[in-house]
Amino acid sequence: TQLLEQSPQFLSIQEGENLTVYCNSSSVFSSLQWYRQEPGEGPVLLVTVVTGGEVKKLKRLTFQFGDARKDSSLHITAAQPGDTGLYLCAGAGGVYNDMRFGAGTRLTVKP
Amino acid sequence: DTAVSQTPKYLVTQMGNDKSIKCEQNLGHDTMYWYKQDSKKFLKIMFSYNNKELIINETVPNRFSPKSPDKAHLNLHINSLELGDSAVYFCASSQGGLYSPLHFGNGTRLTVT
Repeated sequence: TQLLEQSPQFLSIQEGENLTVYCNSSSVFSSLQWYRQEPGEGPVLLVTVVTGGEVKKLKRLTFQFGDARKDSSLHITAAQPGDTGLYLCAGAGGVYNDMRFGAGTRLTVKP
Repeated sequence: DTAVSQTPKYLVTQMGNDKSIKCEQNLGHDTMYWYKQDSKKFLKIMFSYNNKELIINETVPNRFSPKSPDKAHLNLHINSLELGDSAVYFCASSQGGLYSPLHFGNGTRLTVT
């Protein structure tokens, strides 16, 4: 059973466009993390959100944690080709608070 | 100075063989993990060790056996490899705790023919 649903699964846009990707669940999470993975490499942490309603900004990336701590979104402003990659959300839950991942959004930004 | 390193990077082998993947972290973390990423890029936890003790063992065939000789190392041994074992296997470590990030290695791409 996949606890975290990410949408869209694939997204291809032109450089300079804005985009939002979503991470949704029916479960409440203690915290939620976003990672970016490039081909041939492991995922790298972008941000951790812990408080319901929290908004964090990382340059052109804005992360939001839902009030009920069941969902999150990642908004990228003026996307660049360097933003291309697989974006994964992961929620901490369960007995051991281990990180469970969504299936990811594969973003391609064309120059 | 690679924080989490795993070897080999690529592993091609035939069905029925036994193989091992090694992982080492130099971050001083207490917790290490093995994740499997399938062809659709879904990343699923397999095992977690804290200070050499197994704390998470997901529904994984018992052909997969993790071993942690010390808290900086977590190896994965796979017996009687099957075609469906083909995937990318990632080792990760974290300090533990609710908000600790995972630090991943660069993966081992296993291909079973």
